[in-house]
Amino acid sequence: EPEVTQTPSHQVTQMGQEVILRCVPISNHLYFYWYRQILGQKVEFLVSFYNNEISEKSEIFDDQFSVERPDGSNFTLKIRSTKLEDSAMYFCASRDVSGNTIYFGEGSWLTVV
Amino acid sequence: KQEVTQIPAALSVPEGENLVLNCSFTDSAIYNLQWFRQDPGKGLTSLLLIQSSQREQTSGRLNASLDKSSGRSTLYIAASQPGDSATYLCAPISYNTDKLIFGTGTRLQVFP
Repeated sequence: EPEVTQTPSHQVTQMGQEVILRCVPISNHLYFYWYRQILGQKVEFLVSFYNNEISEKSEIFDDQFSVERPDGSNFTLKIRSTKLEDSAMYFCASRDVSGNTIYFGEGSWLTVV
Repeated sequence: KQEVTQIPAALSVPEGENLVLNCSFTDSAIYNLQWFRQDPGKGLTSLLLIQSSQREQTSGRLNASLDKSSGRSTLYIAASQPGDSATYLCAPISYNTDKLIFGTGTRLQVFP
């Protein structure tokens, strides 16, 4: 069964460093998303991406965050200068044009120290 | 602004019981609603999606109902098993947006 894959599964980084989280969405999907979940809290929407541009973003998604689809298969989330409060599980998700079900990856656990 | 509440927050039951998990949302103008399962430290597995025009959706031992006008959805789990132990999340999507809004979930434990 097709699935969304994310790398790395876990990353530890020092405060102020740049981090790139990578995702390979399901191959025929055209809508892509990033969500995050701080430990013990709700899953929160960060950004949606379609047709090579951001279609919607939350207040969390400020200037230190960016997304990119560098080729036909990858979708990345970059955090420019990490802060302690960026420590969370980051989930990539995707859906196809005709369907409404959104499929999530296993997540990338980011720890900022 | 959409707010999603799930009751109960936690549930511990012996296997074999039929369960009811509740989800309520403040903005009834939703396009659809998804139910997910999350195992500890893992990703979100989609269980069911209910379109706004549907009243219910079934998959195996799971049945989800939707009452848009009252802002409620219910997930029924029949004949619960220890493997059903996980956190269950509901997430509606409102019209004119493409983002899921998640509740805090119901943490379910089914013991043998």
